[in-house]
Amino acid sequence: DTGVSQDPRHKITKRGQNVTFRCDPISEHNRLYWYRQTLGQGPEFLTYFQNEAQLEKSRLLSDRFSAERPKGSFSTLEIQRTEQGDSAMYLCASSLRFEQFFGPGTRLTVL
Amino acid sequence: GQNIDQPTEMTATEGAIVQINCTYQTSGFNGLFWYQQHAGEAPTFLSYNVLDGLEEKGRFSSFLSRSKGYSYLLLKELQMKDSASYLCAAHAGNNRKLIWGLGTSLAVNP
Repeated sequence: DTGVSQDPRHKITKRGQNVTFRCDPISEHNRLYWYRQTLGQGPEFLTYFQNEAQLEKSRLLSDRFSAERPKGSFSTLEIQRTEQGDSAMYLCASSLRFEQFFGPGTRLTVL
Repeated sequence: GQNIDQPTEMTATEGAIVQINCTYQTSGFNGLFWYQQHAGEAPTFLSYNVLDGLEEKGRFSSFLSRSKGYSYLLLKELQMKDSASYLCAAHAGNNRKLIWGLGTSLAVNP
């Protein structure tokens, strides 16, 4: 399967713990996006990379959230000191031109 | 500001035709995407309109009017598997960021 992959698919954590998610984009795609989606809502933009450069970060993203794409390939999204409000589906997408291809998402549950 | 509006829910009958509307207000508009999302799954690409007019792709067609800030997705010969959320997203600016609507939940009944 050469699509976008995300790991883990599900994560349950206790409030206050740190979590890290990984996204592997389609290999030739230079753009990578992170979104957050809650039930009944559309995806909410978190951040965007072109190659290894983080070009935009949502103002909704608190300092507890950080993302990296060190070699311009895979990316990680870390959430520190998780809160119950962080419970959501975290989606990664990659693109070469316009169409964004989504991974299966990581569902985070914060207890 | 930037805003995307689409109906929250729609219901249709198997075999029928349904039109899902989307209006948008964005600066630096480039084009309009439609994605399909089944419950618990990631969005999958349906269409991307840049120019005004109708683009047909099998049972699905998408229309764009840039002057009116309006698009619709037309689904023909509805099947039960078409029951899903349909997300409208405006592509704006130079960073390829998508501005998403909340999605229209379509229920196809037998």
